[in-house]
Amino acid sequence: DTEVTQTPKHLVMGMTNKKSLKCEQHMGHRAMYWYKQKAKKPPELMFVYSYEKLSINESVPSRFSPECPNSSLLNLHLHALQPEDSALYLCASSSSPNYGYTFGSGTRLTVV
Amino acid sequence: SQKIEQNSEALNIQEGKTATLTCNYTNYSPAYLQWYRQDPGRGPVFLLLIRENEKEKRKERLKVTFDTTLKQSLFHITASQPADSATYLCALRMDSSYKLIFGSGTRLLVRP
Repeated sequence: DTEVTQTPKHLVMGMTNKKSLKCEQHMGHRAMYWYKQKAKKPPELMFVYSYEKLSINESVPSRFSPECPNSSLLNLHLHALQPEDSALYLCASSSSPNYGYTFGSGTRLTVV
Repeated sequence: SQKIEQNSEALNIQEGKTATLTCNYTNYSPAYLQWYRQDPGRGPVFLLLIRENEKEKRKERLKVTFDTTLKQSLFHITASQPADSATYLCALRMDSSYKLIFGSGTRLLVRP
């Protein structure tokens, strides 16, 4: 299995909702990442987990809350989002920083 | 400030020609430079990685060069095909960090 699977593919949520994005990989990769991508912009790093521990938080607002339950799973919990948070949320994994990253297809999030 | 710039927002070439994309960076000392391809609505796909002590890497029709003096990487696609049309992103990783930072991307269009 050489894929990163993200669910759901699309999500529409209101500003008062709580939702979660899920990411799964079975490649044995020890680092997992969340990126945010707005239209016609490059992906922006949000969080990095290394060996299931949060190692980088790029000053992301607390309405985004990551969680790594085990080495194969990564969640992003969303609460009280704003319309400007609408974007493509990408999950990625890598075996080490010395190798290329494997990205999922993303979750297209719309906040209404 | 730190910047990663890719030469042009869009590049238009004729099928069969060589496409050359440029990635310039300032105020970084990357240990690794990576190139990714991204199709609309999908996650980036890893293509090639080059280390700071390597001058050139090849993979099939792809070639990457890395000049740490000029702070520049060139990405070449030889014998280009319409199927090569996509956005190409360069990304830098500093040593001992899981932080992968993306350039702005170049949209390549290969005309039949």
